Parts: sequence; structure tokens; C-alpha cells
Amino acid sequence: GDSVTQMEGPVTLSEEAFLTINCTYTATGYPSLFWYVQYPGEGLQLLLKATKADDKGSNKGFEATYRKETTSFHLEKGSVQVSDSAVYFCGTSYGKLTFGQGTILTVHP
Amino acid sequence: DAGVTQSPTHLIKTRGQQVTLRCSPKSGHDTVSWYQQALGQGPQFIFQYYEEEERQRGNFPDRFSGHQFPNYSSELNVNALLLGDSALYLCASSLEAERRETQYFGPGTRLLVL
Repeated sequence: GDSVTQMEGPVTLSEEAFLTINCTYTATGYPSLFWYVQYPGEGLQLLLKATKADDKGSNKGFEATYRKETTSFHLEKGSVQVSDSAVYFCGTSYGKLTFGQGTILTVHP
Repeated sequence: DAGVTQSPTHLIKTRGQQVTLRCSPKSGHDTVSWYQQALGQGPQFIFQYYEEEERQRGNFPDRFSGHQFPNYSSELNVNALLLGDSALYLCASSLEAERRETQYFGPGTRLLVL
């Protein structure tokens, strides 16, 4: 079945630093790809998505590009804020979502 | 526009008991999926309901069962609770016509089994 591997955390950055969280997947075919974010004590919120190869998803300064050749969907942000501190999940979907294990991001002032 | 709602928010049960969790999908959505998120882990797919039938199922035992009602709301039932069933249970809704598109999550029900 499908699987998703995320960069191990936790990741700790200073405010305004550059962020990369790596995500690679194995899948038969070409699933849609997602990044979700989870704040403490809450459910998952969609951050961004891409539905086909070379698509770039973007939202709130975060970006990720669907790379079919490397089966990757790395999350990037040019300048993180304290409010970005959360757990980030990469996922694939053909209708059901398969998630990675999550990456904890902590941003210090 | 009402989002996905779940009840209750928290629940404490003892081993061997049974529990029912409830979910109302986002307005206009017809498909409901359930996920189990153990502490420090990513959510794991339990099953998905569409047209009041279980359409897909993840690697969970038969103790986990569900139901979808004509108004698209859904229940997750877990029988013979084990300590390992302690987790955050997330409901997500989507539109069948957009199967590969976004699933919207509720806030979850946190279940503690003692």
C-alpha cells in the first residue's frame, strides 16, 4: 500500500528562518498530495495541496511542489513565525488519506 | 458554513466497554472518513462511508464499526475497548464527486481507556 515518510523532527528554528520539511511517498499511480497542520489540542487543518505532477501548492507563505520523478512533496517557507509552531503532516490521497508520522516545528522569537 | 463537528470532545471508558462517537460532515459533503491518531503519530485510516455503506476499510479489527445516516452524519462504534484504543479519533468529510480532493477534519474526540 501507499506510504509516506517525513523528515524526522522535532525541528527548532528562530523567527524569520527558512523552513524545509522533507516528504517522500510511495504509491501506485499518481495520488493527490497534501500538507495538513495540527495545532495543540486541535484537529487537522489543510495547509496546501497539489493534484498532479509539477503542480505547486501554496498558502500563508508555505509552498510545496509535486515532484513525480523524485516522489517528493517537500514543504518550504521563506520566513517562519512563532505562530507557525505546530505539527505538520504530509499525506497522499486516492480518496483515503495516508499520512506520514508528522514533524513537530517549534519557532522561537 | 458549518464545518465538521464531532461529539463528544472527550471521553473516558474502562477496558471492555463500548463507545460511540458521532460526526456531522461539512455542509454539502456526502462522504465521511474516520481516522485514529495515537499520541505522537500520524492519523491512521479506519474506514470511509458513502451512501450509508462502508466503502473502504483500513487495517482495523471488526471491533471497530460504523454507520452513516441518510443526512450523511456518521457514528464510529468501538466494542470491547482495549487500553491501546486510547487515541484522538478524527472524522473527515469530503465530496464523492471530488474523491481526490480535500478532506476537511473535525476537532476530534479524545478517548481515554483505563
